[in-house]
Amino acid sequence: EAGVAQSPRYKIIEKRQSVAFWCNPISGHATLYWYQQILGQGPKLLIQFQNNGVVDDSQLPKDRFSAERLKGVDSTLKIQPAKLEDSAVYLCASSTSGGMTETQYFGPGTRLLVL
Amino acid sequence: RKEVEQDPGPFNVPEGATVAFNCTYSNSASQSFFWYRQDCRKEPKLLMSVYSSGNEDGRFTAQLNRASQYISLLIRDSKLSDSATYLCVVIPNSGYSTLTFGKGTMLLVSP
Repeated sequence: EAGVAQSPRYKIIEKRQSVAFWCNPISGHATLYWYQQILGQGPKLLIQFQNNGVVDDSQLPKDRFSAERLKGVDSTLKIQPAKLEDSAVYLCASSTSGGMTETQYFGPGTRLLVL
Repeated sequence: RKEVEQDPGPFNVPEGATVAFNCTYSNSASQSFFWYRQDCRKEPKLLMSVYSSGNEDGRFTAQLNRASQYISLLIRDSKLSDSATYLCVVIPNSGYSTLTFGKGTMLLVSP
């Protein structure tokens, strides 16, 4: 079974530029998550989708971050404009239906460096 | 107080040693608890869920103490391949499956 796919794997941009990340979850998984992991920290949830609806985006900095999952499958996360403190690994995860005891499967992440 | 707190380590142990990690959480209403493992520059992967009755998976034993709000992970007979960061994870709110991660504890197993 294919895992969670993410692209690009690495991205270097200058501050104030825009960047977008793509995620393809495991086939059939209704729930998709975006996490931000800053070096030396644990991942922090940015947004959770159930199919194409947002369940939780309370920690998403909405002045610069946006995310969508238009057809309930793939998702994109965008940062516009980027700040130095956005340098992190952006992890996408998916689970079957979002139940609290379900395993969340993570993709390899996109490493973003903002200069 | 942070939601999930862990000693960042690193814990340096020789092969064959037994090592234990603890983690505390602040929300007494937390519903679910897990240990995830993260290898260097890799994504987190579920190691095991943590149940109130305690659970064991081979060399790994996890325990939950709700009264004191802490979770533990015991690794027996450490292997070189156990070297990784161990992330304590809590789901704090009922109704959401949002994982709240600790910063992780780094384990280094040496020959």
